[in-house]
Amino acid sequence: DADVTQTPRNRITKTGKRIMLECSQTKGHDRMYWYRQDPGLGLRLIYYSFDVKDINKGEISDGYSVSRQAQAKFSLSLESAIPNQTALYFCATSDLFAGELFFGEGSRLTVL
Amino acid sequence: GDSVTQMEGPVTLSEEAFLTINCTYTATGYPSLFWYVQYPGEGLQLLLKATKADDKGSNKGFEATYRKETTSFHLEKGSVQVSDSAVYFCALSDQGGGFKTIFGAGTRLFVKA
Repeated sequence: DADVTQTPRNRITKTGKRIMLECSQTKGHDRMYWYRQDPGLGLRLIYYSFDVKDINKGEISDGYSVSRQAQAKFSLSLESAIPNQTALYFCATSDLFAGELFFGEGSRLTVL
Repeated sequence: GDSVTQMEGPVTLSEEAFLTINCTYTATGYPSLFWYVQYPGEGLQLLLKATKADDKGSNKGFEATYRKETTSFHLEKGSVQVSDSAVYFCALSDQGGGFKTIFGAGTRLFVKA
């Protein structure tokens, strides 16, 4: 089983719908992240959490919210999806000391 | 703020050719530098890293040297294979940036048999 698991892997929805992307990890890491990947733009940080009680905005947090339900779970919500939120979303984890990021396989979201 | 700039792709090479993908960075402190690789349909995975100036990271025949004087971390491989076809991302993590990882735009590599 993957160490970082994202659900759903693919989702098509309509403008205005609420969407939740879920991430769970078995790495035992405190730090979790949500990134968005768009062609030609690399990965951009949406939100990150350094422990269960810590939530921080990244560079593109508008239109998104997150919840850290437990050390192992970090979910991303789009309260009212819009077409320019169509992208590939990645969850990642890391240990305490700015080391390697471990990524899930991604959640492809299409907003019509 | 911190940033990473890498050469635009796609890069198309024949098998056994030499590969260079350029990467330069801007950071306020002394960042750790990374190369990640994304194979089709997969998430990113770490390829190599370097944590201080003059360190050389290496893995699977790829290598990159942390050059503080030129703020660069170019990725090289002496002889590419078809299986190296992927998207390569240069990245940094900096204490001054709160240890968040900042990524370049990615460079797609195609290797022809």
